[in-house]
Amino acid sequence: DVKVTQSSRYLVKRTGEKVFLECVQDMDHENMFWYRQDPGLGLRLIYFSYDVKMKEKGDIPEGYSVSREKKERFSLILESASTNQTSMYLCASVFSGANVLTFGAGSRLTVL
Amino acid sequence: SQKIEQNSEALNIQEGKTATLTCNYTNYSPAYLQWYRQDPGRGPVFLLLIRENEKEKRKERLKVTFDTTLKQSLFHITASQPADSATYLCALCPSSNDYKLSFGAGTTVTVRA
Repeated sequence: DVKVTQSSRYLVKRTGEKVFLECVQDMDHENMFWYRQDPGLGLRLIYFSYDVKMKEKGDIPEGYSVSREKKERFSLILESASTNQTSMYLCASVFSGANVLTFGAGSRLTVL
Repeated sequence: SQKIEQNSEALNIQEGKTATLTCNYTNYSPAYLQWYRQDPGRGPVFLLLIRENEKEKRKERLKVTFDTTLKQSLFHITASQPADSATYLCALCPSSNDYKLSFGAGTTVTVRA
């Protein structure tokens, strides 16, 4: 089974702190995604990557950046966390040619 | 702008009954549509995929229909069980070469024993 692992399940940070959310997949998937999920809004795409060192903005990239230095790892960075970034963050990956996303368990971030 | 709408209210049903969830979309021509299940505190898990040229798909007690004229998909859980209680998300993809799914907000189903 493909595994997508998000190392931090729960984080509490202060406004202005820099936050790193890490995601690792173990099945050599080219494509990786970061979504955030908020009640009533569904999943919204923040950033995605089709290959190493490649990134593209999704629908809501403001306040976020990403890093993909290795194929298996896709990191989401909040340079200066704000309270409106309190959310559930979900990482996903998919093999090129396939259609189904495999999600991690999520990282619940609270910014105080 | 593109919009995906699912049943806005939670669905509460008796065990053994059929749950029917709707997914309506506007300003979108998806190549295919997917349904995912999400349990509290977990990531979504894929259930079914249906392509634009398919009318219906089944998997065990699950059935999905896709009407591109009505711009609607229906998701049925037959002979529902308490273990089916979860949030169900529909997701649309613009083309088979594009992996950027757009998701609805989800419908929470509770099956009473």
